[in-house]
Amino acid sequence: QVQLVESGGGVVQPGGSLRLSCATSGFTFRKYGMHWVRQAPGKGLEWVAVVYYDGSDQHYADSVKGRFTISRDNSKNAVYLQMNSLRDEDTAVYYCMRDRTNFCDYWGQGALVTVSS
Amino acid sequence: QSVLTQPPSVSAAPGQKVTISCSGNNSNIENNYVSWYQQLPGTAPKLLIYDNNKRPSGIPDRFSGSKSGTSAALGITGLQTGDEADYYCGTWDSSLKVAFGGGTKLTVL
Repeated sequence: QVQLVESGGGVVQPGGSLRLSCATSGFTFRKYGMHWVRQAPGKGLEWVAVVYYDGSDQHYADSVKGRFTISRDNSKNAVYLQMNSLRDEDTAVYYCMRDRTNFCDYWGQGALVTVSS
Repeated sequence: QSVLTQPPSVSAAPGQKVTISCSGNNSNIENNYVSWYQQLPGTAPKLLIYDNNKRPSGIPDRFSGSKSGTSAALGITGLQTGDEADYYCGTWDSSLKVAFGGGTKLTVL
């Protein structure tokens, strides 16, 4: 069955960096685009970034552009989110999702990132 | 502030029907498919409706989706206490970004 498992969350100081990973299994990873979405405590969903199936292109939300980088390793069936220059407002649960062109059909369980001094 | 507009909350009695609206514009909903996600308390979101009105395997037909112009709606009939959750609409935007609604909290009284 399809599984997405995020890791790498934790507590980081403002201005710091963190790298999230999303390990996948149960499907042919190289055929699917992948997204990151986040949810601040008590808030709604905010889309963060997408990487195409072959890694040839990426798109970002304005709120993270220039600070976050999405990437993937098709040999490891994994997608990553490198987060730099972290701010208090980046505190959230981060989910990875599998892209199906018009929707996302599988979500991971989420990784909590807390930006605090 | 979310790109798509949803009511913050809706409520209805068990067995009744409820509709959750999702409003956008011609840059997102009007020219793209809409999907809906259910987030039960303390869990990750789950796909409920895709391509405006299709249900993934395992989703009961009590859940339905529709779209007209720049708006979409999620309908739930035969409400159950287990349907209490947050519901989100989503779609692509013409700027190649994904847009979500702010979410609607469903309370089954």
